[in-house]
Amino acid sequence: KAGVTQTPRYLIKTRGQQVTLSCSPISGHRSVSWYQQTPGQGLQFLFEYFSETQRNKGNFPGRFSGRQFSNSRSEMNVSTLELGDSALYLCASSPWTGREQFFGPGTRLTVL
Amino acid sequence: AQRVTQPEKLLSVFKGAPVELKCNYSYSGSPELFWYVQYSRQRLQLLLRHISRESIKGFTADLNKGETSFHLKKPFAQEEDSAMYYCALSDAGGTSYGKLTFGQGTILTVHP
Repeated sequence: KAGVTQTPRYLIKTRGQQVTLSCSPISGHRSVSWYQQTPGQGLQFLFEYFSETQRNKGNFPGRFSGRQFSNSRSEMNVSTLELGDSALYLCASSPWTGREQFFGPGTRLTVL
Repeated sequence: AQRVTQPEKLLSVFKGAPVELKCNYSYSGSPELFWYVQYSRQRLQLLLRHISRESIKGFTADLNKGETSFHLKKPFAQEEDSAMYYCALSDAGGTSYGKLTFGQGTILTVHP
């Protein structure tokens, strides 16, 4: 099976803009989780979607949002970008429970 | 709250030497523990999960609930084991869907 894919791989934005990142899970996987990875904070959970519903949310401001489509593909959106949003954003898919997760390569977001 | 601690940021060993990467966790519920590995320029990939009790690439890890630890061990390290290793925890019995709590990671370097 093809692995988790994320697009784009790299993004450069300026403060105040918004950005949308995309994730295609492994075929048959219905759970998609998103993480932010930074050198200071490490890997932090953003949210998880299953069957188009957000089941869980981490401790991030409302500027971070996501959605999932009927084919399990997921997007996350960050509005009003801040310099501190510069990070590697990882998505991971899981067949059902959301516990055993398979990661994508990530999207590197740089906010100038 | 869930917490995972990897006390060593860096670990260096020589080829053929035993290696142990430490992981301690704090969680009042029913935890499921994982080890993930990230080789240079590759995505994060699942190495071990405690419930499967497998040995992957010669690595083993035993969940010790009394000491709340899940240390990763290999009797004879190889140069190709050099990578970043993350310990992660999931809630096995609750409703914290899709959330993995990661430690800060340990960079393992195996010298020839």
